[in-house]
Amino acid sequence: EVQLVESGGGLVQPGGSLRLSCAVSGFTFSDHYMDWVRQAPGKGLEWVGRSRNKGNSFTTEYAASVKGRFTISRDDSKNSLYLQMNSLKTEDTAVYFCVRAYDNSGYSLGYWGQGTLVTVSS
Amino acid sequence: QSALTQPASVSGSPGQSITISCTGTSSDVGGYKYVSWYQQYPGKAPKLMIYDVSKRPSGVSNRFSGSKSGNTASLTISGLQAEDEADYYCSSYTGSSTWVFGGGTKLTVL
Repeated sequence: EVQLVESGGGLVQPGGSLRLSCAVSGFTFSDHYMDWVRQAPGKGLEWVGRSRNKGNSFTTEYAASVKGRFTISRDDSKNSLYLQMNSLKTEDTAVYFCVRAYDNSGYSLGYWGQGTLVTVSS
Repeated sequence: QSALTQPASVSGSPGQSITISCTGTSSDVGGYKYVSWYQQYPGKAPKLMIYDVSKRPSGVSNRFSGSKSGNTASLTISGLQAEDEADYYCSSYTGSSTWVFGGGTKLTVL
C-alpha cells in the first residue's frame, strides 16, 4: 500500500525558514515523480513543485510563486522527500501535501499524504 | 499561469447527473490531453478521480466520467449519491513541466 506521511509543519515568522519532510512506503521511491501541492485555508489547490524520478536525474521544477525560495530534494536511502522553504511570506500559509504521480507518465497526481500545516505569521 | 475556471458550486438531486466544467486556454487544457479531476472532502486529502481527460483509476466508480472539447474539460457524475457531496478540482499540465489547478467546485447533493 502506498503511504505518504508529511511532517515538519508549524508556526514561523515572515522571512523565516522551515523544512518539510515526507516519508514514503509501499513503492520504489526512486522510480517515481514526486510533487508538493499546497492549499491555503479555505482556498483551492496550488501546485508547488516536482522532483522527477531517478531515470530523469531527480531534476526539479517549481511554480513561479515559490521559485528561488523553495527547494525540493530527496534521500532515497531514507525514502524521504523534502521541501526546504526560505524567505517565507504570509501568503505561504497553507496545508502542504506530498504527492506521488499516479503512473510513470507523471501527468497526474495519484497518491496524496494527509498534509502538514504551515503558518507564516508574526 | 492563471488558475483554470470552474463554477463555484453545482447541485443536483440523488439519481440525477451533473456536469462540472473547467475552462482554460490553448496553453493548458486545450493544448494537452493531461487533464485530471480530484475529489476532496473537508479536512481530507484530495483523491484522483479522472486522469488523462477521461481515464478512471482502479477503484473509482464508473459513475464518474471525463471529457474535453477545445479549452474546456468536463467532469460528469451520473446517478448522483449523497456521498458524492464534496469539492472537485480540475488540473491541467501547462507545458514546461508545470501544472495548474481550477478554483474548485462545491457539489451539493440536495
